Amino acid sequence: QLQLQESGPGLVKPSETLSLTCTVSGGSINSRSYYWGWIRQPPGKGLEWIGSIYYSGSTYYTPSLKSRVTISVDTSKNQFSLKLSSVTAADTAVYYCAKAVRPRYYFDYWGQGTLVTVSS
Amino acid sequence: QSALTQPASVSGSPGQSITISCTGTSSDVGDYNYVSWYQQHPGKAPKLMISEVSNRPSGVSNRFSGSKSGNTASLIISGLQAEDEADYYCTSYTSSSTWVFGGGTKLTVL
Repeated sequence: QLQLQESGPGLVKPSETLSLTCTVSGGSINSRSYYWGWIRQPPGKGLEWIGSIYYSGSTYYTPSLKSRVTISVDTSKNQFSLKLSSVTAADTAVYYCAKAVRPRYYFDYWGQGTLVTVSS
Repeated sequence: QSALTQPASVSGSPGQSITISCTGTSSDVGDYNYVSWYQQHPGKAPKLMISEVSNRPSGVSNRFSGSKSGNTASLIISGLQAEDEADYYCTSYTSSSTWVFGGGTKLTVL
């Protein structure tokens, strides 16, 4: 059974960079059949797709965050990561990592989510 | 890209059927059959309920179904049960090789 687990600091200071890692277990991240993505949810609000990465390293980002986001993959560790720079309080959210099926584009496995608070 | 449009809330009594709409554009919902629906209970991760407009994953109740017409997709829940009370989100793949979510709909079972 595939499992995804987010990890990283729960508190980040304004203007700094948020860094999260998603560890995939029970399957290989190095597959042509999947995309790996990050989705966030501010407290009390809806889901927002941040971006996705293919095993080859090709990346896709939501336009509103594109200038601040970097998603990378480490196939040797079966992990993929999110970096979001110059954070503000508006970036406070639960961050989920998820797996999408290619080329059907639905997210079938999700991590449990991790709350990241931006505050000084 | 703009979020897909969903009603903020819907409600129904046990046993009834409800429909949640998800309206996009010709660049997302209208362009692909890659609309999926997710159920989210408070404090939990989203759960896939419908993929590719109308496909139901293994383990999901057949009370859940989906359809699409033009730029609008719909999630239909029949035979409402108390456990269906949750937030529901649609998402679509887009012509820009991105994904876009709907704003979410809170389902209340009366």
